[in-house]
Amino acid sequence: GESVGLHLPTLSVQEGDNSIINCAYSNSASDYFIWYKQESGKGPQFIIDIRSNMDKRQGQRVTVLLNKTVKHLSLQIAATQPGDSAVYFCAEKVTFGNEKLTFGTGTRLTIIP
Amino acid sequence: EAQVTQNPRYLITVTGKKLTVTCSQNMNHEYMSWYRQDPGLGLRQIYYSMNVEVTDKGDVPEGYKVSRKEKRNFPLILESPSPNQTSLYFCASSLSRGTGREETQYFGPGTRLLVL
Repeated sequence: GESVGLHLPTLSVQEGDNSIINCAYSNSASDYFIWYKQESGKGPQFIIDIRSNMDKRQGQRVTVLLNKTVKHLSLQIAATQPGDSAVYFCAEKVTFGNEKLTFGTGTRLTIIP
Repeated sequence: EAQVTQNPRYLITVTGKKLTVTCSQNMNHEYMSWYRQDPGLGLRQIYYSMNVEVTDKGDVPEGYKVSRKEKRNFPLILESPSPNQTSLYFCASSLSRGTGREETQYFGPGTRLLVL
């Protein structure tokens, strides 16, 4: 498959375990955050988002935590499955700015069967 | 099916030969954008468009042009491609400059370009 990035931080997790992927964002004015999943040969796929007036949001098997004090975002994936293997990116944006998403460098998650 | 499409998916060309990568979305989205993805540099915005006939530069616009003559299409034009434009390109769109899910950007499948 195609490599979406070299020298990415990597995380290997046993199938069925929970995983936590971390991201430090750069702009204190950012008020909207998104986690994307990118599988080999595909475009980034939306997973979950959170606004800055929240510190936690849950989806199906995924939870995003936001700590604005230290500008930190995390993505928790519960009961990981082989299909969760991918590169995960956090992205930040200032609402009503130029709509530009600023992406983190990504983390490669590998699920070990 | 709601989607963002790009063509071609793969392209090999030579320095200086003009090319266009098309992007089309069928979701009536106002906002569209082009990104390039390079190893170690992540995704960087090239150009964006808030609506028809409204375009602006992103972080790395040099060597690229765009147009937005109709809402659904946002082609990326390389007038004189150079080897440093070898990259993986993504088009994205979102409903509007709103809040909440309206602003979520959805990505196309990517176009891998090699300039020799």
